[in-house]
Amino acid sequence: DIQMTQSPSTLSASVGDRVTITCRASQSISNWLAWYQQKPGKAPKLLIYKASSLQSGVPSRFSGSGSGTEFALTISSLQPDDFATYYCQQYNNYYTFGQGTKLEIK
Amino acid sequence: EVQLVESGGGLVQPGGSLRLSCAASGFTFSNYWMNWVRQAPGKGLEWVANIKDDGSDKYYVDSVRGRFTISRDNAKNSLYLQLNSLRAEDTAVYYCARPGRLPWDAFEIWGQGTMVTVSS
Repeated sequence: DIQMTQSPSTLSASVGDRVTITCRASQSISNWLAWYQQKPGKAPKLLIYKASSLQSGVPSRFSGSGSGTEFALTISSLQPDDFATYYCQQYNNYYTFGQGTKLEIK
Repeated sequence: EVQLVESGGGLVQPGGSLRLSCAASGFTFSNYWMNWVRQAPGKGLEWVANIKDDGSDKYYVDSVRGRFTISRDNAKNSLYLQLNSLRAEDTAVYYCARPGRLPWDAFEIWGQGTMVTVSS
């Protein structure tokens, strides 16, 4: 089984900050990685697929990078709507999610 | 509008059964693999099962294999999850999710979820 490890688990930041969340796979997954945003009581929303492709309708301040085992989600300038929990997901071999990163207002 | 709507959740005793449904609209359901994903209260996301577009292949996470059964009815644009031998650790919100065009692809579309509570 492929394990996905996100860091940090919690991130405190301010509006306008640039933030990066990382995700590590236990073995190479090429670029079969997605990022999701989830707000309390809501379903997850796809942000990034294939490690760096922006899903339609997602603001360009979100970007993804990486391949193999190391990946990152960057938000270039935090907006109030971005405070949420973020999950990475590998889909190279079945599906596995990271444990999540809660992005909080500082 | 592309939409997935789950139903069928509720309170069930340990060892009991439940059948979840997911009604799809706004896209050609029979062209897509479909998935179930769950989220225990206050916890992260866990993929549960998926099914091929024609229903001929099914895959499960180890923790539910042999207890849960995924199925679909393309004529009714519906996805199902039969939950048997339920345990307390199966308590979660259950989401149906549609990937992109690849069989194993990121989940583009999610339902709103249905809550399953396993408790005596």
